[in-house]
This record gives sequence, structure tokens and C-alpha cells, in this order.
Amino acid sequence: KNEVEQSPQNLTAQEGEFITINCSYSVGISALHWLQQHPGGGIVSLFMLSSGKKKHGRLIATINIQEKHSSLHITASHPRDSAVYICAVLGGRGGSNYKLTFGKGTLLTVNP
Amino acid sequence: GAVVSQHPSRVICKSGTSVKIECRSLDFQATTMFWYRQFPKKSLMLMATSNEGSKATYEQGVEKDKFLINHASLTLSTLTVTSAHPEDSSFYICSARRQGLYTEAFFGQGTRLTVV
Repeated sequence: KNEVEQSPQNLTAQEGEFITINCSYSVGISALHWLQQHPGGGIVSLFMLSSGKKKHGRLIATINIQEKHSSLHITASHPRDSAVYICAVLGGRGGSNYKLTFGKGTLLTVNP
Repeated sequence: GAVVSQHPSRVICKSGTSVKIECRSLDFQATTMFWYRQFPKKSLMLMATSNEGSKATYEQGVEKDKFLINHASLTLSTLTVTSAHPEDSSFYICSARRQGLYTEAFFGQGTRLTVV
């Protein structure tokens, strides 16, 4: 079993729909990342959070440390949101040399 | 946010030659950088952790002599793929975090390597 599990693996939505991507992890963590990877490869860090909720534009990320679960929500989805979304957790004591453990990613396709 | 610049973005090389990929942190000092490889439709696979001024720490199964990592300064790490073979063709991406606890990771744009 992977330490970081994402669901769903693939998600197709119509423009304007509310999107939720889930991430569960089985190890103790100090922080969790949500990353976005567009075709062509570049990775952008959307959020890093260790508790509660963060919002940036149409994106919302939440984390429940007790339940070891995080969700990424996209409101009013748009075709330009089509990308792979990756959950990554930072274990240990969170020092700058600590490694990220990645989920396998969720491929989101938003149709016009 | 902080910027990590990776160069080149794409490279095509002949079998047997070596290719160097650079990863720079543009506006912060990174004592540690990470090098990843990504196969098609797969997640990132950590290859090695690059430490400024010391030898890199390689993950199990990664050939040290094939993938040479040098972290000569606090803002630059390089990955050299030596004696490249077609099976080395892949997407390589670097990452760096600021010093300190719980700091956000920033990623380079990635390098698409094709060995012909």
C-alpha cells in the first residue's frame, strides 16, 4: 500500500463544475503539498499546509491531521484547470533536507 | 513565490554522450536540492538528494556513476547523465526548499531528455 493515496485517479468534468480531489496518507507528516503539473511537465506548488484550510482564487485546500486526509477543491472549473494534481507529504521534522512522498496524481480533464 | 530555474528544458543527444542539466534557485539559498525522474504517466521518483559542498545521497537503484550530481554553490546543482543510452530518455526535474522547517518546495520546469 502506498503511503500517499489519491482519488480519483482520473476525473472528467464539465466547465463550471465543482471539483474535489482527495488525498489520504498513512504516515505522520509535518506538512502537505498540493502540486499541479500541466502537459509539458512543469510543476507548480499550489498549496503547502499543515492544518486547517487555505484558499487561493478558485482553489481551496483543506487538511485534517487527525484523519490523515486532505482535499483539494476547485470551484467553477475551467478547461485551463486540466492538469495532473499531485498530493505530496513532507515527513519527519520538516527540515529542508527532508523528502517529499508523492501520490500518483489525479488527471483532471475539464471539458468546455 | 520563490523561483527554481532548470536548464535546458529539452535536449536531444546521441547515445554515448553526456548531458548536463542545471538547477538554480534564483532568489533563495538552497543547501539541499532534490533530483527526480518521471516516467510517462507515473509519479515523480526521487533519484538523489544534492547537498551543497558534499556528496549527493542517492536512492537505492540509482547509479551514482551514471547520474553525477554536483552542488557547487548554494544556488546551483547540476545533474550529468553520463554515457547516455536511449533508456535514459525521460523527464528530469529538480526541486529545492528554503532552509528551515516546513518550508515550501519549489520545482524547476523540468528537462525532457531524448537519447537517440
